[in-house]
Amino acid sequence: KAGVTQTPRYLIKTRGQQVTLSCSPISGHRSVSWYQQTPGQGLQFLFEYFSETQRNKGNFPGRFSGRQFSNSRSEMNVSTLELGDSALYLCASSYTNRVPYNEQFFGPGTRLTVL
Amino acid sequence: QKEVEQNSGPLSVPEGAIASLNCTYSDRGSQSFFWYRQYSGKSPELIMFIYSNGDKEDGRFTAQLNKASQYVSLLIRDSQPSDSATYLCAVNSDYSSASKIIFGSGTRLSIRP
Repeated sequence: KAGVTQTPRYLIKTRGQQVTLSCSPISGHRSVSWYQQTPGQGLQFLFEYFSETQRNKGNFPGRFSGRQFSNSRSEMNVSTLELGDSALYLCASSYTNRVPYNEQFFGPGTRLTVL
Repeated sequence: QKEVEQNSGPLSVPEGAIASLNCTYSDRGSQSFFWYRQYSGKSPELIMFIYSNGDKEDGRFTAQLNKASQYVSLLIRDSQPSDSATYLCAVNSDYSSASKIIFGSGTRLSIRP
């Protein structure tokens, strides 16, 4: 079974631009979560989508948004990029969002650099 | 107090020995617990998950959960150089929100030949 895929793998943008990242979950998985990983803050939860609905959101500004399509693929958008948005953005999928059976599997990530 | 705490390391263990990684969490209502391995420049890889008190074994890995003491640990037997990585402990601290998984900052493990 193919794993979680993310595109693009690397991205360089300048301040003020916007960016869209894409994630395809493992086949059959309906829950997609997004995380930001930086050396200083570690892994931080951005938001989770299940059946095309945002179920939870972390403590990030409104510049960060996302959506999920009917085929469970998800996109994440960051508008008005800031230098501090440089990070590894990780997508994780799980079969269900029911605790405790909600183990998540990560994609390879998108490395975003903001200049 | 951080919600999920890990010793940042580095933890240095000789090849062939047992590596013991520990994690404590603050929310007594936590339901599910995960261990991820992350190599430098790569994404986290799920290696163990545990829901019930006690031990869970998978190959060279054993996860131990003690809800009363609020800690979860990972034992790696017969440590290999390929086990050198950062190990992330993750805890689902919100029963109603499966996606709110809180990650620790990770423990760097180094296996010396």
